[in-house]
Order: sequence, then structure tokens, then C-alpha cells
Amino acid sequence: AQSVAQPEDQVNVAEGNPLTVKCTYSVSGNPYLFWYVQYPNRGLQFLLKYITGDNLVKGSYGFEAEFNKSQTSFHLKKPSALVSDSALYFCAVRDIGAGNQFYFGTGTSLTVIP
Amino acid sequence: KAGVTQTPRYLIKTRGQQVTLSCSPISGHRSVSWYQQTPGQGLQFLFEYFSETQRNKGNFPGRFSGRQFSNSRSEMNVSTLELGDSALYLCASGTSGSTYNEQFFGPGTRLTVL
Repeated sequence: AQSVAQPEDQVNVAEGNPLTVKCTYSVSGNPYLFWYVQYPNRGLQFLLKYITGDNLVKGSYGFEAEFNKSQTSFHLKKPSALVSDSALYFCAVRDIGAGNQFYFGTGTSLTVIP
Repeated sequence: KAGVTQTPRYLIKTRGQQVTLSCSPISGHRSVSWYQQTPGQGLQFLFEYFSETQRNKGNFPGRFSGRQFSNSRSEMNVSTLELGDSALYLCASGTSGSTYNEQFFGPGTRLTVL
């Protein structure tokens, strides 16, 4: 079965410190992985994606994510957190073996403390 | 380019009523997906339309239905509303439906069932 897990409901980090938001996945075929961010009362905004190639993917707003096939993980990272990064983050996987459908994690709420 | 628009933004209904939500995708996008977002459940996939045809369907009861028009605009209908249908309903559009492409989300319709 296809699934995405975000093991942390809440992540707190001090401004200026590096941040990591974790994601693991399970798909039957090759994973196509995405990260989205949601600000209050807004829809989801695309941050980055991994399709193939380099395991380190760079995206919007200074975010990057590392694809690790052996650990089936796709953790989101940023070297230096900003207060404005505080938001809800969703990991998603698209599995062509399952009708090309998107599967989303339950989200991780990131709070950057000034 | 205008983003994905959803109307109305807020709705209050009572149990047993029905509701129709509307989504206009980004110009040129032919794929429209619908999601239900509730706290703790993340995003649950409802269905996806491409060129007026339902291409994928999630695990929701038949009270949830949708359609897509020739101009790619989509509507979602929920009949016989239940309290548990209270949620943020998100619409997302995409291009040709390629596995590699991300989805673009609208701001959502907040449905409250009393």
C-alpha cells in the first residue's frame, strides 16, 4: 500500500538554527516526492520535488530535501530558519503504480522561535 | 497567470443539506483534483478529473461527487451533509497529468456543517 508518514506533528526550532522536517514513504514503484507548505488560511504552495537524479533537491525559499532510497525518506531541510518559515508542511508522494494519485502526509507544524 | 480560484470561500450548512463547491483551475490546466483537509487527518484525496473524465477516486462515500466541464472548471457536490463533513476542501490543478508535475492549490472552501 502507498503511504506517506510525517512522524512529528510539531517541530520547534530557534531562528537561525537549521531545521529538519521528516518524511518517510512507501510506494510500490519509483517514488515521485513533493513538499508543500501551507500558511494560515491559504492553500498549499509547492516547495520542491524529487523525480530522479541528484538526491539533494533544492527548492523555493532556501529549502532543500534529501532523498534516501535505502531509508525511504525525503526529509525537508533548511540551513538557517526564519520566523516567516513557521507554517504547516506536507510531504506527498505520487505513485504511478496506484493510478498516478497523490498521497499526502498528515502534516508537520513548524514553529520558528525568535 | 491567475491562480486556482475556489468559490465560495466559506459555507455554513446544516445536516441533511447538500452543497456545491466550485473550482477554476489555472488557465491551460486540464487536471483538477479535490481534497478534504481536516486536523489530524491531513489531506484526503477525493477525486481527480482530466478532460471531463474522472480519472481517480478516493475512498469517500457516494455522497461525494464531482464533475468537470469543457473549460476545465470543476464542481464538487456533497449531498446529505453530516457533521463530519466539516472541513477545508481544497482544489488543485495540474497540466497534462504527467507524473512529474506538481499540483497548484487554491485557497480552499471552508465548510461548516451544523
